[in-house]
Amino acid sequence: EIVLTQSPDFQSVTPKEKVTITCRASQTIGSSLHWYQQKPDQSPKLLIKYTSQSISGVPSRFSGSGSGTDFTLTIDSLEAEDAAAYYCLQSGSLPFTFGGGTKVEIK
Amino acid sequence: EVQLVESGGGLVQPGGSLRLSCTASGFTFNTYDFHWVRQATGKGLEWVSAIGGGYDTYYAGSVTGRFTISRENAKNSVYLQMNSLTAEDTALYYCVREGNLNCVGYLCELDFWGQGTLVTVSS
Repeated sequence: EIVLTQSPDFQSVTPKEKVTITCRASQTIGSSLHWYQQKPDQSPKLLIKYTSQSISGVPSRFSGSGSGTDFTLTIDSLEAEDAAAYYCLQSGSLPFTFGGGTKVEIK
Repeated sequence: EVQLVESGGGLVQPGGSLRLSCTASGFTFNTYDFHWVRQATGKGLEWVSAIGGGYDTYYAGSVTGRFTISRENAKNSVYLQMNSLTAEDTALYYCVREGNLNCVGYLCELDFWGQGTLVTVSS
């Protein structure tokens, strides 16, 4: 089973600041890493697929990068509506696994 | 509009059983694979099970031998039969669609999630 280690666990950020969340895989997964946003009392929503591919309807301030075992989600110029938990998911092999999550709070 | 609607959750005693259902609409059901993902209150996401279009099935180690995933294409539905439930199975269970366009390899991203159905295992 591939373990995804996500960091940080929590981040308190001022609006317009840049946010960086990392996800490290225990073995190489190519580009098969996806990012999700989950707001309180809502289902997760796909933000970025295959490391860096954008999703229709997702603001352009969200971007992803990386390959192999190290991946990054970047939120440029954080907005108040971005307060949420963020998770990475690997689909390189079954079982699918998720990172532990990063909670982003707005200061 | 893509919709996944889960049902069947509830309160069950330890050792008991529940059958979750997920009914889909707004897309061609039989061209997609489906997953169940769960989330304990205040915790992270945990992958549970998946079923492919060819009825191939996959399970997390924590539920193997206790849970059974199935699908009924004629009813646009996916099911999760859960037996020998324990307190550790208490969670919100999401039905999730796996994407099927421009996938890398034979697995895709999980592209659309239902609202979830709550399972509580307690005496």
